[in-house]
Amino acid sequence: AQKITQTQPGMFVQEKEAVTLDCTYDTSDPSYGLFWYKQPSSGEMIFLIYQGSYDQQNATEGRYSLNFQKARKSANLVISASQLGDSAMYFCAMRDNAGNNRKLIWGLGTSLAVNP
Amino acid sequence: DAGVIQSPRHEVTEMGQEVTLRCKPISGHDYLFWYRQTMMRGLELLIYFNNNVPIDDSGMPEDRFSAKMPNASFSTLKIQPSEPRDSAVYFCASSRLGTGGPAGELFFGEGSRLTVL
Repeated sequence: AQKITQTQPGMFVQEKEAVTLDCTYDTSDPSYGLFWYKQPSSGEMIFLIYQGSYDQQNATEGRYSLNFQKARKSANLVISASQLGDSAMYFCAMRDNAGNNRKLIWGLGTSLAVNP
Repeated sequence: DAGVIQSPRHEVTEMGQEVTLRCKPISGHDYLFWYRQTMMRGLELLIYFNNNVPIDDSGMPEDRFSAKMPNASFSTLKIQPSEPRDSAVYFCASSRLGTGGPAGELFFGEGSRLTVL
């Protein structure tokens, strides 16, 4: 069965430093996608970054990058130059990309606090 | 462009009452999802639609929950009768099937926080 594991319930980082949020996944499907979402205290879920299982390079979006290690089944989110506004819950999710499947499997999230 | 719009933002009701949550997806999106979020269970997919047709409702907890999508711009999630364990934040999200790129990242509404006393 597909599964997403986020082992860090809470993380702290100093403003302007980089932080890595861990995500490991389990799937037997050869084609899948990995997503990261941010949920600030206001509650809305915000899409950050996507990595396809066949993508040759690690995904990057501004200060966000995804450290994709396929053999280890890990898809860690790296946030560079942390800002106070990065304080939020971060969720990793996975989708089997076969056919028109649109069902995401979600981790339980990591709470990130950025200290000034 | 308007995002996913949910109403109400907050609902407090008593056990046994009917609750109806509403969602307007982003125009042009052909997938609509209903999620429930709690501290204990995280994000759970309840049901999703493609072109107004329910595709997977295996996450709907029980017969007290029902969802409809009468047209491309409106969906409801109904709980009847409501119970205290239904207290959660209910999110609606929409996406569209695309080519290349993320091909369907979800766009979420702000959620409806339900409290059942």
